[in-house]
Amino acid sequence: QVQLVESGGGVVQPGGSLELSCAVSGFRFSDYGMHWVRQAPGKGLEWVAFIGYNGATTYYIASVKGRFTISRDNSKNTLNLQMSSLSPEDTAVYYCAKDRITTVRGVAGSWGQGTLVTVTS
Amino acid sequence: EIVLTQSPATLSVSPGESATLSCRASQAVGSNLAWYQQKPGQAPRLLIHAASTRATGVPTRIGGSASGTDFTLIINSLQSEDFAIYYCQQYNTWPYTFGQGTKLEIK
Repeated sequence: QVQLVESGGGVVQPGGSLELSCAVSGFRFSDYGMHWVRQAPGKGLEWVAFIGYNGATTYYIASVKGRFTISRDNSKNTLNLQMSSLSPEDTAVYYCAKDRITTVRGVAGSWGQGTLVTVTS
Repeated sequence: EIVLTQSPATLSVSPGESATLSCRASQAVGSNLAWYQQKPGQAPRLLIHAASTRATGVPTRIGGSASGTDFTLIINSLQSEDFAIYYCQQYNTWPYTFGQGTKLEIK
């Protein structure tokens, strides 16, 4: 059974940093692309970052490029998102998600429960 | 960036009836479009991928179709568990983008 469990959310001041983690189980983590998707309170979904199965390929949306770093540790079945220079606009629930299949990127077949990041002074 | 425009923003339908949700892409995405359902306090759930292929466990009364850059999600015989927010999402081109969502509510 596929499981994704995010952690690391919390309250941080503007300009601060935070690292999110997603522990996965129930599938061969090293075969799948992984994603971070966020949702601001009461708003829609926004795809934040992608990392390929071996970590060699990463994509970011423009608003986080240079501030966020997606990474993975295939030996520990863990996905990470290092966030810095945070602003109130980054306040959201952050979900990790798994590609549905290994050969198609971008269809989030499984999701974690999300972790809330609140950026406020 | 590809913009997905969903309509209507809110759809009020009675249980047992059908609902038709629309999603229009600002440029071609081929069949690289998915639909997700999200209920309050929950993560999204994949319903449809490749424009018309149901995800595992999705009932056959839920279906997707495509015509060019116009995509449709149809839910027949609405049940209480279907009332939620629905998002379309393109994965043809990075950045992957979502529509703004359609809230399906009980009439």
